[in-house]
Amino acid sequence: DGGITQSPKYLFRKEGQNVTLSCEQNLNHDAMYWYRQDPGQGLRLIYYSQIVNDFQKGDIAEGYSVSREKKESFPLTVTSAQKNPTAFYLCASSILGGPPTSTDTQYFGPGTRLTVL
Amino acid sequence: QKEVEQNSGPLSVPEGAIASLNCTYSDRGSQSFFWYRQYSGKSPELIMFIYSNGDKEDGRFTAQLNKASQYVSLLIRDSQPSDSATYLCALLGSSNTGKLIFGQGTTLQVKP
Repeated sequence: DGGITQSPKYLFRKEGQNVTLSCEQNLNHDAMYWYRQDPGQGLRLIYYSQIVNDFQKGDIAEGYSVSREKKESFPLTVTSAQKNPTAFYLCASSILGGPPTSTDTQYFGPGTRLTVL
Repeated sequence: QKEVEQNSGPLSVPEGAIASLNCTYSDRGSQSFFWYRQYSGKSPELIMFIYSNGDKEDGRFTAQLNKASQYVSLLIRDSQPSDSATYLCALLGSSNTGKLIFGQGTTLQVKP
């Protein structure tokens, strides 16, 4: 059963805590992405990785960190430096192709809803 | 100017009508365009992608792309209450990094 899994589904963080959100895929996709979604808004890119052991900052990387030690896994850490972390976090993956094709398509995991207490 | 613009809505249509969702973009180098549907509290799911000018049909959905005018649209025929959701337009930028750029989404309400 192929797909993208995220855990936990709900996460509560106290002030000053670091928390890590898990994202795993068994689709053999090269690229993985982390997005943040706030109520009534679109998705904003936090970090992305096109290959193992390499990742790039997105538009809102401050206060977040990632690692890509395995092709299947792309965990996101929300650090205490992120001042407003309450949001819906979405992980996605895609095959990276050359010409524009359906392999550019990103598929999303079910998401993690993070709330700061 | 935002890179991808959508009217946030809500767009309200009666059941059985055609819903028309529009999206404009600023990067003329963009090549691939995607429509995602997102139900409240859930993650986005892909409906269609399009990369050639013209129309692409899949069941009740038709995506239309006009690169000269820099817009992409999604038509939903015979709208059903189950189509009520937020529809996100996304494009693959010209930078060839695989990054998708999303619009803020249009909320569609289909009334029985």
